[in-house]
Amino acid sequence: SQTIHQWPATLVQPVGSPLSLECTVEGTSNPNLYWYRQAAGRGLQLLFYSVGIGQISSEVPQNLSASRPQDRQFILSSKKLLLSDSGFYLCAGASPNYEQYFGPGTRLTVT
Amino acid sequence: AQTVTQSQPEMSVQEAETVTLSCTYDTSENNYYLFWYKQPPSRQMILVIRQEAYKQQNATENRFSVNFQKAAKSFSLKISDSQLGDTAMYFCALYSGGSYIPTFGRGTSLIVHP
Repeated sequence: SQTIHQWPATLVQPVGSPLSLECTVEGTSNPNLYWYRQAAGRGLQLLFYSVGIGQISSEVPQNLSASRPQDRQFILSSKKLLLSDSGFYLCAGASPNYEQYFGPGTRLTVT
Repeated sequence: AQTVTQSQPEMSVQEAETVTLSCTYDTSENNYYLFWYKQPPSRQMILVIRQEAYKQQNATENRFSVNFQKAAKSFSLKISDSQLGDTAMYFCALYSGGSYIPTFGRGTSLIVHP
C-alpha cells in the first residue's frame, strides 16, 4: 500500500509571503496525486490533480499553483499568500483500486 | 456530473449503540465505486470501507457495514457497538470509471458519548 508524506505539519505565514508545501509518495509508482483544501468543519475542496510528471489539472482558479517535478513528488505553491488561503491542506494519492490515501495534512494560517 | 449528498451534518450516539449514517449519490456510469472515509480530530483521513457497484453483497469491515441500495442510489454506513474512538467526521465518496476525480460528500460529524 502507498504512504503519503506531507510537510510541514503546521505553518504560519504573513500575507504576501510565498508558499511551498511538499508531498511525497512511498510504495507505488506513477500514482494519480491530488491536493485538497479543507476549511474548519467543512468538506474537501479539490485544488489540483496530476496523472503524471508535469501533468497538472486545476479545479479552482486562484493564486495557488502545483507542480509535479518527479513521479512521487507533488508540490503546492503560491507566490503571494492571501488571508483566504488559510486552511488545512491534504495531499492524496489514488490506488489502483481507486481508494484515496491521504497524508497527515498541513495546517496553514495566513496572518 | 456526479453528486454525493450527506443529509445529516451532525449525529450523536451513546457508546455501545448502533448508528447509521446516510449517503445518496448520483452518477450516469454503470461502473463505479463507493467509499466511506473517517477523519478523526487528528484530521488524518482514513478509509473505512469500500463497495464496488457491481457487487450485490454489502461490504463489511468488523463493526462497520454498509447498506448499498443500487436502484435507490443509497449507500449508508452502519457502525455497531460504537466506541469513543469512532468520534470523527465521516465522508461518503464516489469514484466513477473514466474519471480521475472522486466526488466527496460534505461530511457527517459523529460524536460518541460515554
